Amino acid sequence: DIVMTQSPDSLAVSLGERATINCKSSQSVSSSSNNKNSLAWYQQKAGQPPKLLISWASTRESGVPDRFSGSGSGTDFTLTISSLQAEDVAVYYCQQYYSIPRTFGQGTKVEIK
Amino acid sequence: EVQLVESGGGLVQPGGSLRLSCAASGFTFSPYGMNWVRQAPGKGLQWVSYISGNSDTRYYADSVKGRFTISRDNAKNSLYLQMNSLRDEDTAVYYCVRSVGCLDVWGQGTTVTVSS
Repeated sequence: DIVMTQSPDSLAVSLGERATINCKSSQSVSSSSNNKNSLAWYQQKAGQPPKLLISWASTRESGVPDRFSGSGSGTDFTLTISSLQAEDVAVYYCQQYYSIPRTFGQGTKVEIK
Repeated sequence: EVQLVESGGGLVQPGGSLRLSCAASGFTFSPYGMNWVRQAPGKGLQWVSYISGNSDTRYYADSVKGRFTISRDNAKNSLYLQMNSLRDEDTAVYYCVRSVGCLDVWGQGTTVTVSS
């Protein structure tokens, strides 16, 4: 199984400041067939189901604010919130869809400082 | 509007059975792979099972293999999860999730509590 490890477990950021979440996979999730990384980011607000933010490591879903961006390749990935807003308070998960079983990171809780 | 609505959760004793259902609407159901993902209270997300659009391919997490069965009825736009031999550690919110590789549409979830 591919193990996904996020860091940090939690972070507190001031409104308008940058938040950065890291995700590391135990093996590469890069596909040679399409030259894409099978890595997604999800946002889960309290009491709600997760919401897909980013697929293929860096492709923002329709309707997701452009302050959210994803980067990385191979085994190391980053989710960046460029200017944290109050509505961004949530737990963020990375997930690989390169192989079965699909696996998630343990989650990173983002709060306002 | 694309929507997934789960039902069938509840309280069940250890060793018991439960069948979850998921009703899909707002999109053409049959081509899409579908999943169940669960979240134990206060914990992270765990993928449980996947079924392809034509039901030819099914995958399970090791923790549920041999106890859970995923199925679908494309004529009824519905996904199911038959859960047998339930254990305390199966207590969770169970989400029905559409997949296009990643998991792009999530239901609101249904709660399963396994307790005596």
